Amino acid sequence: EVELVESGGGLVQPGGSLRLSCAASGFTFSDNWMHWVRQAPGKGLVWVSHINPDGSRTAYAESVKGRFTISRDNAKNTLYLQINSLRAEDSAVYYCVKDGYFYFDDWGQGTLVSVSS
Amino acid sequence: QSALTQPASVSGSPGQSITISCTGASSDIGGYNYVSWYQQHPGKAPKLMIYDVSNRPSGVSNRFSGSKSGNTASLTISGLQAEDEADYYCSSYTSSNTPHVFGTGTKVTVL
Repeated sequence: EVELVESGGGLVQPGGSLRLSCAASGFTFSDNWMHWVRQAPGKGLVWVSHINPDGSRTAYAESVKGRFTISRDNAKNTLYLQINSLRAEDSAVYYCVKDGYFYFDDWGQGTLVSVSS
Repeated sequence: QSALTQPASVSGSPGQSITISCTGASSDIGGYNYVSWYQQHPGKAPKLMIYDVSNRPSGVSNRFSGSKSGNTASLTISGLQAEDEADYYCSSYTSSNTPHVFGTGTKVTVL
């Protein structure tokens, strides 16, 4: 059974940084593209970023480009999202998602990031 | 890349059928058969319901079906049940510089 467990969220001041982690199990992590998707409180889903199996290709939503960095450690079966220069509008639940070939196959339970002074 | 357009809410009585539309453009829905649908109950993570326009993952009820015509995709729920009350989101691959886009979301209410 696929399991994705996010961690690293919390309350941070504007301009601060966080590193989100996602521990993956139940599938061959190193064979799969992975995504981060976020959802602001009471709002819809927004795709944030993805990374290919060996970590050599990444892409980002325009709203986070230059501030967020996705990475992975296939030896540790872990996906990361480094988020810098945080803004109030980055406040959201961040989901780690396993790719299913142009769709979002399995989702973690999410980790909440709150940006406030 | 703007979000795909969905109705804010759709409602129906138990046993009825409802359809949720998802409108995009030729650069997303109209250009690819990579439309997917997700169900989200309050406080829970989204769940994949339909992929590649009309395919159901194992374990998803056959009351859920998907289709596409031009730049608009649709999700139909037949034999509506109380447990179907949730938010539903469509998604598509896009040729823009943001490769994936979600819909605005639709709240389904079972009367």
